[in-house]
Amino acid sequence: AQSVSQHNHHVILSEAASLELGCNYSYGGTVNLFWYVQYPGQHLQLLLKYFSGDPLVKGIKGFEAEFIKSKFSFNLRKPSVQWSDTAEYFCAVNSDTSGTYKYIFGTGTRLKVLA
Amino acid sequence: EAQVTQNPRYLITVTGKKLTVTCSQNMNHEYMSWYRQDPGLGLRQIYYSMNVEVTDKGDVPEGYKVSRKEKRNFPLILESPSPNQTSLYFCASRRQGGSNQPQHFGDGTRLSIL
Repeated sequence: AQSVSQHNHHVILSEAASLELGCNYSYGGTVNLFWYVQYPGQHLQLLLKYFSGDPLVKGIKGFEAEFIKSKFSFNLRKPSVQWSDTAEYFCAVNSDTSGTYKYIFGTGTRLKVLA
Repeated sequence: EAQVTQNPRYLITVTGKKLTVTCSQNMNHEYMSWYRQDPGLGLRQIYYSMNVEVTDKGDVPEGYKVSRKEKRNFPLILESPSPNQTSLYFCASRRQGGSNQPQHFGDGTRLSIL
């Protein structure tokens, strides 16, 4: 079955620490990959996306993600987190083979950054 | 301002009392979708619509109905709500230009079914 896994459910970091959040998917064929962020009490906002080309994609607020096709992974990274990065992060996938109108989201990772 | 608007933002109601959550977007997007967000389960897609009068089931459609009579509106209908539909609901829209288009999300509707 098609799925998206985010193995880190809760992450606590101090300011200036580096961040890496894992995302693995199980899909065949061409995939489109997204990372969304949800700040407390707010709606989801797009951080970055990958659909083709350079597997290292840069998003807003200093975030980046690397698509590694052989590992079915799309991990999110940030070299130095800030207190304002405290939020929940969701990885999402849709696939040309499963129908490009259906989206599968991971269960989310809650990040807490300590000032 | 480009936005997806959901109403109501909060609703407490009782089992079996029909309710509708409205969703409207002002970006002329063809694609719209409904999700529910539950702790530990992330977002799960309920229904989506590729265009007016074209809808299809997502992963958790049971107990829900949708309609798409106009391009801008995509209401979610709970004909006979039950407590297991207590959740946070999000509506989203995107351009139909390609599956790589990002979705724009509304602010969410928190439903409590007693």
